[in-house]
Amino acid sequence: QKEVEQDPGPLSVPEGAIVSLNCTYSNSAFQYFMWYRQYSRKGPELLMYTYSSGNKEDGRFTAQVDKSSKYISLFIRDSQPSDSATYLCAMSAPGGGADGLTFGKGTHLIIQP
Amino acid sequence: KAGVTQTPRYLIKTRGQQVTLSCSPISGHRSVSWYQQTPGQGLQFLFEYFSETQRNKGNFPGRFSGRQFSNSRSEMNVSTLELGDSALYLCASSAGLAGGPGTDTQYFGPGTRLTVL
Repeated sequence: QKEVEQDPGPLSVPEGAIVSLNCTYSNSAFQYFMWYRQYSRKGPELLMYTYSSGNKEDGRFTAQVDKSSKYISLFIRDSQPSDSATYLCAMSAPGGGADGLTFGKGTHLIIQP
Repeated sequence: KAGVTQTPRYLIKTRGQQVTLSCSPISGHRSVSWYQQTPGQGLQFLFEYFSETQRNKGNFPGRFSGRQFSNSRSEMNVSTLELGDSALYLCASSAGLAGGPGTDTQYFGPGTRLTVL
């Protein structure tokens, strides 16, 4: 079992829809949770960063962490064609450890105009 | 502020050769981490350097090595290339706060796409 599981998609939704992206994980030591967006032929860019459980909102993006279920989510409201990209969840334990960031494999999102 | 730069952007090598990739971090950042990204395995952590010292290391064979210079620029080297080394190699820089890559926001470069024939 991989430490972090993420549905690879592709996930295709119409413009304006609410998008829900999810990751599950098995390592209970993870405390820091991130979402990165990666466009084709580009490096990942950080979207959201949360510590421990709870919600965090930034514009159209909301990140949720449920440590009891080992489940994290990213919601995108009023989705735009420019949101079409691969979304990667990443997480780590305090101190980073020997593994740096542990990433999911990414979900390929397509927003249809 | 300029972002993370990586050179070259594309590279084609043959099996058995070696390759050196370069990364220039954001000005003022002291930590550089390297990742390998493939369709099958996703993004995997290679190693992290801070102040010219390797601070963290992932689970990769010794053919993968790196170093960091006093100006925080970093290089990674892969010796005796194998077909399976074909990947996008990403470099990420951060301020290098205590605790390593997991507790410190990382900013990624565009990557070097390595193809091994």
